[in-house]
Amino acid sequence: EPEVTQTPSHQVTQMGQEVILRCVPISNHLYFYWYRQILGQKVEFLVSFYNNEISEKSEIFDDQFSVERPDGSNFTLKIRSTKLEDSAMYFCASSDGRGHQPQHFGDGTRLSIL
Amino acid sequence: RKEVEQDPGPFNVPEGATVAFNCTYSNSASQSFFWYRQDCRKEPKLLMSVYSSGNEDGRFTAQLNRASQYISLLIRDSKLSDSATYLCVVSRSYNTDKLIFGTGTRLQVFP
Repeated sequence: EPEVTQTPSHQVTQMGQEVILRCVPISNHLYFYWYRQILGQKVEFLVSFYNNEISEKSEIFDDQFSVERPDGSNFTLKIRSTKLEDSAMYFCASSDGRGHQPQHFGDGTRLSIL
Repeated sequence: RKEVEQDPGPFNVPEGATVAFNCTYSNSASQSFFWYRQDCRKEPKLLMSVYSSGNEDGRFTAQLNRASQYISLLIRDSKLSDSATYLCVVSRSYNTDKLIFGTGTRLQVFP
């Protein structure tokens, strides 16, 4: 079964540094997403991306964050000037449609900010 | 009020039991509904979409009550492998990408 893959599985970074989280969505999917889950809390939407542009973003997704699809397969989340509170699991997801089409999640990147 | 509310549990049930989870959502404009399961420190995995007419997939049955803004999941003949957190997930409209997650209901099935 096709799956979403994410790298790295665990990233440890000093506060203030930049990190790039990588995702390879399911190959025929057109809609891409990032979510995060702080330990012990619920999964929260960050951003959605379609047709090479952001289609929706949450209030969490401020100027510190950016997304990019640098080639035909990768989808990245960049976090600049990381803060302690950015420590979380970051999940990438993809779907082949909006709304009622389910989103399929990668196994996540655990980001630890020291 | 939270947009998606679930009883956090835990629900501790013996193998073979039937267990039901409920979820309420506050936004009446919500259009799409899902149940995902999440194992400890893993990604959410789609269990099933929830349709207005209700739907069944093996031991799992999902129901939607739009009037009461209520979604349910029934698990029959519980297995040890069903132990996980069950996430109620809602999408506001067909034109949005944003999924709203509940905090999840934890299920522990014991031998």
